[in-house]
Amino acid sequence: NAGVTQTPKFRILKIGQSMTLQCTQDMNHNYMYWYRQDPGMGLKLIYYSVGAGITDKGEVPNGYNVSRSTTEDFPLRLELAAPSQTSVYFCASSYSDRDIDEQYFGPGTRLTVT
Amino acid sequence: KQEVTQIPAALSVPEGENLVLNCSFTDSAIYNLQWFRQDPGKGLTSLLLIQSSQREQTSGRLNASLDKSSGRSTLYIAASQPGDSATYLCAVMGGANNLFFGTGTRLTVIP
Repeated sequence: NAGVTQTPKFRILKIGQSMTLQCTQDMNHNYMYWYRQDPGMGLKLIYYSVGAGITDKGEVPNGYNVSRSTTEDFPLRLELAAPSQTSVYFCASSYSDRDIDEQYFGPGTRLTVT
Repeated sequence: KQEVTQIPAALSVPEGENLVLNCSFTDSAIYNLQWFRQDPGKGLTSLLLIQSSQREQTSGRLNASLDKSSGRSTLYIAASQPGDSATYLCAVMGGANNLFFGTGTRLTVIP
């Protein structure tokens, strides 16, 4: 079991460029999440998905898009990158939204926009 | 809006000491509370999850308590070891499957 995997580990983008952050989980979890962590701050939810074909906004969705065509994959798309999107991005998954189900996190993607 | 605060922001202790990390939250309507460990440049590892109906959870040298009515949780680490050095994050589950995170406590255990 690889758990939650993310690619790439690091990326530098120029302002205005676009990219997709990849996230895959092999635990057959229904729920998947994208968070960002700014230096010295807690994680904030960008988008989440409760199953294939269903996504919803979190606390900080502006500037991002997501899709969920399969149970395993939940890519995060950045369009027109801005310096404010410099952050570490974490993908997570959980089996359900029940209060006993913990979220499992990937290793993160460190993104710099210059 | 849920606000999660962790005190202290940083803590250094000699090896072998017992220690307590604190977490407070403003909205008591939570589903659960999780404590995570984050090593530098790494992802988060879940340590303990306390359901809203529970008062505490234990795993090895770790014990976490939850007082929902007062909006507080503590993480107790017994007999600390250098390998415990990391940042510890507290997060509460609100509605819409959203985990609200604190900014963490950076722990250093000195050999």
